[in-house]
Amino acid sequence: KAGVTQTPRYLIKTRGQQVTLSCSPISGHRSVSWYQQTPGQGLQFLFEYFSETQRNKGNFPGRFSGRQFSNSRSEMNVSTLELGDSALYLCASSPGQGAITEAFFGQGTRLTVV
Amino acid sequence: SQQGEEDPQALSIQEGENATMNCSYKTSINNLQWYRQNSGRGLVHLILIRSNEREKHSGRLRVTLDTSKKSSSLLITASRAADTASYFCATGRGYSTLTFGKGTMLLVSP
Repeated sequence: KAGVTQTPRYLIKTRGQQVTLSCSPISGHRSVSWYQQTPGQGLQFLFEYFSETQRNKGNFPGRFSGRQFSNSRSEMNVSTLELGDSALYLCASSPGQGAITEAFFGQGTRLTVV
Repeated sequence: SQQGEEDPQALSIQEGENATMNCSYKTSINNLQWYRQNSGRGLVHLILIRSNEREKHSGRLRVTLDTSKKSSSLLITASRAADTASYFCATGRGYSTLTFGKGTMLLVSP
């Protein structure tokens, strides 16, 4: 079974630009969650999508948005990038219903804003 | 904001020794999970313990959960150099929303 795939692995962007990150979950999983990891704030939940609908949302500004497609692949977008958005962005895949099980994480996208 | 707080922040031991990490959390939960992260890469799930369980084992791992004290511990027995990583506890209320602590950095020296 293929794992969670995140693309790209590394990105360098300039302040003010926007960026789109992609996550392909494990086949059959309908839930994709996104997390931001920084040295100062640690791992923070951004949002979760299940069956193309945002089901949960963390405490991030509206510059951070996401969507999920009918094949469960998800994208997150950050507009008007700030230096503080430099982070490792992780997505996690899970079935999304039934008994709660583990989340499977991708290798992450390392975003550097200069 | 962080739900869990791991203790200690860093732990350095020799191969063969046991490593114990603790996690405290603030609100009620329905499950608690432990994850490992190697050097800024993705997280790997280690073990999930539900709120009605008190102890769980998986290989060299032993996790306990005390909901009355809102705390959990992860014990790694007979540590190996390959266990060097950061370890995070994560609590869940909704299905796929995890709240992570800041982690314990474990260094196992040969």
